[in-house]
Amino acid sequence: ILNVEQSPQSLHVQEGDSTNFTCSFPSSNFYALHWYRWETAKSPEALFVMTLNGDEKKKGRISATLNTKEGYSYLYIKGSQPEDSATYLCALSLNTDKLIFGTGTRLQVFP
Amino acid sequence: NAGVTQTPKFQVLKTGQSMTLQCAQDMNHNSMYWYRQDPGMGLRLIYYSASEGTTDKGEVPNGYNVSRLNKREFSLRLESAAPSQTSVYFCASRFTGLAGVWEQYFGPGTRLTVT
Repeated sequence: ILNVEQSPQSLHVQEGDSTNFTCSFPSSNFYALHWYRWETAKSPEALFVMTLNGDEKKKGRISATLNTKEGYSYLYIKGSQPEDSATYLCALSLNTDKLIFGTGTRLQVFP
Repeated sequence: NAGVTQTPKFQVLKTGQSMTLQCAQDMNHNSMYWYRQDPGMGLRLIYYSASEGTTDKGEVPNGYNVSRLNKREFSLRLESAAPSQTSVYFCASRFTGLAGVWEQYFGPGTRLTVT
């Protein structure tokens, strides 16, 4: 069974702090790497999809990088705000059909 | 454009009862998925359907059956519910192609409790 690992499991930061977390995956099995944002009591929503080694994506204060050779992706949040509080999921595309999800990093931003 | 819809939103079953969770999407996606979400376990794939008329097992298929009725609809059936099936169930859909670069769109979830 392929493991997609995320760390840390949870994170508490103060408003204004910048933060980052990691998604690790077996580098030999790779088509695309996805990041999702999942707010409590809502559905996961896609943030980024990355395919190429060295890819960098940005959406507002959130950005992500991808290293397929060493099998990791970082998600960065600059100047965290309380509305950034959510669980951030990464997922690996093994082929065109399935995604394998990590267990997520739960971020709480305190005012 | 409603996206992905699921019914019901909440359900309580007794052990041994059966029920069907309904999912529909209006985005003309070819692939559809059923996941369950349990504390500390993330999203686990139960079944998926890559196209109309095809279904495949995911990571945790035991105790479930699925039907891809047409391109829009993908239902999940519990034939004899067990307390271990207490979970939040998410349906998702996706356009597939180009080596998996397309994101999934999720429904609002169904919270199922089996007593």
